[in-house]
Amino acid sequence: GNSVTQMEGPVTLSEEAFLTINCTYTATGYPSLFWYVQYPGEGLQLLLKATKADDKGSNKGFEATYRKETTSFHLEKGSVQVSDSAVYFCALRGQAGTALIFGKGTTLSVSS
Amino acid sequence: GAVVSQHPSRVICKSGTSVKIECRSLDFQATTMFWYRQFPKQSLMLMATSNEGSKATYEQGVEKDKFLINHASLTLSTLTVTSAHPEDSSFYICSLAGVPPQETQYFGPGTRLLVL
Repeated sequence: GNSVTQMEGPVTLSEEAFLTINCTYTATGYPSLFWYVQYPGEGLQLLLKATKADDKGSNKGFEATYRKETTSFHLEKGSVQVSDSAVYFCALRGQAGTALIFGKGTTLSVSS
Repeated sequence: GAVVSQHPSRVICKSGTSVKIECRSLDFQATTMFWYRQFPKQSLMLMATSNEGSKATYEQGVEKDKFLINHASLTLSTLTVTSAHPEDSSFYICSLAGVPPQETQYFGPGTRLLVL
């Protein structure tokens, strides 16, 4: 079945450091890929998405590229801020209308 | 994006009681709603999918008689944990989606259930 594997956390960085959170997936067909973020005490929010191979999703300085050859969708940001501290979830959807399948989440903590 | 609310945000109950969790879409008519469960430091695990006006579809291993889902309208879904036990303590999150090929799912803030 479909599954998502993302790197274990927590990830601790200083402000303005470069961020990479690895995500790989297993799926049949051509899934859509997502990154969601969960700030303390809040619900999950869509951060970015990509619906086909080689697409790059980007938002708020974060970006991720859908790599079919490596079945990956790594999240990157060039310069993190304290306000980026949150839990980040990689997810996929196999078919339109079906539920998202999530990775375990990676906690990011950024200090000033 | 759509605004999704859940009520209550936190509930503590005694073992053997039933707890109802409401999920409301405040500005979006959702044909499909999903219920997830999240254990500490774990991923969100899909429990069931419900479509308005029809019975919910439960994931393997989820007891439909224990976790009753009612998708009463396009803006309201409820999850009732019947005869709750301590192992049911968890974080329950609802999510809604529009008509395919709508890609985005919108999530509620979650309900923390603690069964004593």
